[in-house]
Amino acid sequence: KQEVTQIPAALSVPEGENLVLNCSFTDSAIYNLQWFRQDPGKGLTSLLLIQSSQREQTSGRLNASLDKSSGRSTLYIAASQPGDSATYLCAVYGNAGNNRKLIWGLGTSLAVNP
Amino acid sequence: GAVVSQHPSRVICKSGTSVKIECRSLDFQATTMFWYRQFPKQSLMLMATSNEGSKATYEQGVEKDKFLINHASLTLSTLTVTSAHPEDSSFYICSARSGAGGHTGELFFGEGSRLTVL
Repeated sequence: KQEVTQIPAALSVPEGENLVLNCSFTDSAIYNLQWFRQDPGKGLTSLLLIQSSQREQTSGRLNASLDKSSGRSTLYIAASQPGDSATYLCAVYGNAGNNRKLIWGLGTSLAVNP
Repeated sequence: GAVVSQHPSRVICKSGTSVKIECRSLDFQATTMFWYRQFPKQSLMLMATSNEGSKATYEQGVEKDKFLINHASLTLSTLTVTSAHPEDSSFYICSARSGAGGHTGELFFGEGSRLTVL
């Protein structure tokens, strides 16, 4: 059974720092992995989608990597800003048997302080 | 990027009434949409997968007669909470995967609907 873990659960940093958020999963049989952010009381915004055949994706100050063999993905945020404060979620889309569904991590709550 | 719109964003109703929430994919066709429920400070809980032109697939523990799902077109899915009770109060979020029904498309979410049942 696929399990997704996000570390740390919460993070508070001063503005300008470079950050790494971690996501690990137990079953490497996946279609893709997607990173989202959620602001309080809001829906989810897609940040980056990495297909199983890809190693990384970049969008602006965000870079996400995927190491399927070790079951890990990292989301790198460069030069963090207060507007980056949100909960960051990773979701793994499995491709085998009972794992053929989206499995979510519990998220990392990020606070970037001015 | 692709947009998924959800309406209403907030609804307050009396106990015993039914509430309908709409989810639309605005610039792509979605053969499959997903309905989630989220409690405060908790992760998303998948309720059901909505399939265009066929019956929805419900997750274990989700009452299909309580949460009616209709996916009548490639751009619209609706969730109706029937005979709502205070314990149904929650944040409901829909999502849709872009691409022609494949597994590699990007998943996009609506803005969410906050339901409060008095």
